[in-house]
Amino acid sequence: DADVTQTPRNRITKTGKRIMLECSQTKGHDRMYWYRQDPGLGLRLIYYSFDVKDINKGEISDGYSVSRQAQAKFSLSLESAIPNQTALYFCATSEPGLAGDEQYFGPGTRLTVT
Amino acid sequence: AQSVTQLGSHVSVSEGALVLLRCNYSSSVPPYLFWYVQYPNQGLQLLLKYTTGATLVKGINGFEAEFKKSETSFHLTKPSAHMSDAAEYFCAVTPTNTGGFKTIFGAGTRLFVKA
Repeated sequence: DADVTQTPRNRITKTGKRIMLECSQTKGHDRMYWYRQDPGLGLRLIYYSFDVKDINKGEISDGYSVSRQAQAKFSLSLESAIPNQTALYFCATSEPGLAGDEQYFGPGTRLTVT
Repeated sequence: AQSVTQLGSHVSVSEGALVLLRCNYSSSVPPYLFWYVQYPNQGLQLLLKYTTGATLVKGINGFEAEFKKSETSFHLTKPSAHMSDAAEYFCAVTPTNTGGFKTIFGAGTRLFVKA
């Protein structure tokens, strides 16, 4: 079984709808991240969490919110989806190390907002 | 601010040819450096990373990268391309003065391998 899972894998929704993307991990890592990937822009950090009580905004958090329900679960919500939030969304985890955090990624959720 | 530049959004090579994917970073202090690969419909996975020590780093699937401080570069190479290498490759840096967690990704280079 995959260490980092994301649901749903694909989602089409309409402008103005609320949508939640879910991430679960079995790696036992404290740190979790949400990124979005857009062609030509690479990955950009939306939110990150160091533990259940520590949640921080990334570089593009506007229009998004998150919830860390447990060490293993980190959800991303779009309160009112808009078309420019159409993207590929990745959840990732990491464990603090002495030399940079190698990140472990889920398979991604492809979101289309019409 | 730290940044990562990958030269070439698309690179095409023939099977058996040398693969060279370029990455330059801007940082006042050498960061931790990573290469990730993304196969179609999958998440990213780590190819290799440089932290300290030997500047030539070997990774999975025959890839290697060399950290050149004077050139602020971390180019990825593989002597002989295989069809299975076709994927998107991301260079990433993590500043050493931020607790090692804030990773900045380049825009990615898509590698095509021709038979």
